[in-house]
Amino acid sequence: GAGVSQSPSNKVTEKGKDVELRCDPISGHTALYWYRQSLGQGLEFLIYFQGNSAPDKSGLPSDRFSAERTGGSVSTLTIQRTQQEDSAVYLCASRGTTGRTGELFFGEGSRLTVL
Amino acid sequence: SQQGEEDPQALSIQEGENATMNCSYKTSINNLQWYRQNSGRGLVHLILIRSNEREKHSGRLRVTLDTSKKSSSLLITASRAADTASYFCATDENTGRRALTFGSGTRLQVQP
Repeated sequence: GAGVSQSPSNKVTEKGKDVELRCDPISGHTALYWYRQSLGQGLEFLIYFQGNSAPDKSGLPSDRFSAERTGGSVSTLTIQRTQQEDSAVYLCASRGTTGRTGELFFGEGSRLTVL
Repeated sequence: SQQGEEDPQALSIQEGENATMNCSYKTSINNLQWYRQNSGRGLVHLILIRSNEREKHSGRLRVTLDTSKKSSSLLITASRAADTASYFCATDENTGRRALTFGSGTRLQVQP
C-alpha cells in the first residue's frame, strides 16, 4: 500500500484477555518500530526491527508484551493478559533508509481500551 | 523518561501570528526531527536537522539546533488554523540506540 497500515483501528477488550495488533509497513521498508502513546502524552518506544537483525526489545514494558515480524514485512504486537494500564494508542512506523536514522512514516494507530 | 522535553506544553495563538516551540534533550545526537500529529491521527514528519547544522528552513517552518545547549526550536510563521496540532521533537541519539526518542509534545491551538 501507499502508507503504513494498522489494524484494528480500535479495540475494546476485557482485562485479562489477549490482543493482537497488526502493522503492514510501506513496501520495501526494512525498519519497523512500535511505539505506545498514552492519552495526551509523548511516544514511548516499545520495539524495533531492522531487516534480519535481532530486534531491539529494550522498550517492552513487561513479558506480557511480544512482537514478531514475519518475512521482513508485516508485524504483530501481542499483549497477553491485558491490564487497564495497557490502554493507549499503539503506533507503528517504518523507515526505508539504512544506516543513520531518517524519517519515520507512521500509521494511524490502534487505540486499545482495556475495561 | 523522555529524552526530549518540549516547551511550552500548550500554546494558543491567533491566526497570522508566529508560533515558537522549544525542545531540550540530554544526550549527544546524530540528528533531531520534528513531527506533527493531528488529533487522533498518526505522526507526520516535518523536518530533520543534522547535528552539524544550525538552522534549516522548509516553507513556513524554521528549525534551529544548538548542540552546545542541547536544544532546538521550531518556528511556524504566519500560522493558520490548519496548523492546530501537537508537535513533537524526536532525537536520533548518538549512543547506538536505533530508535528515535520522542518528547512529550507541544499542543498548538491557532484561533481563526
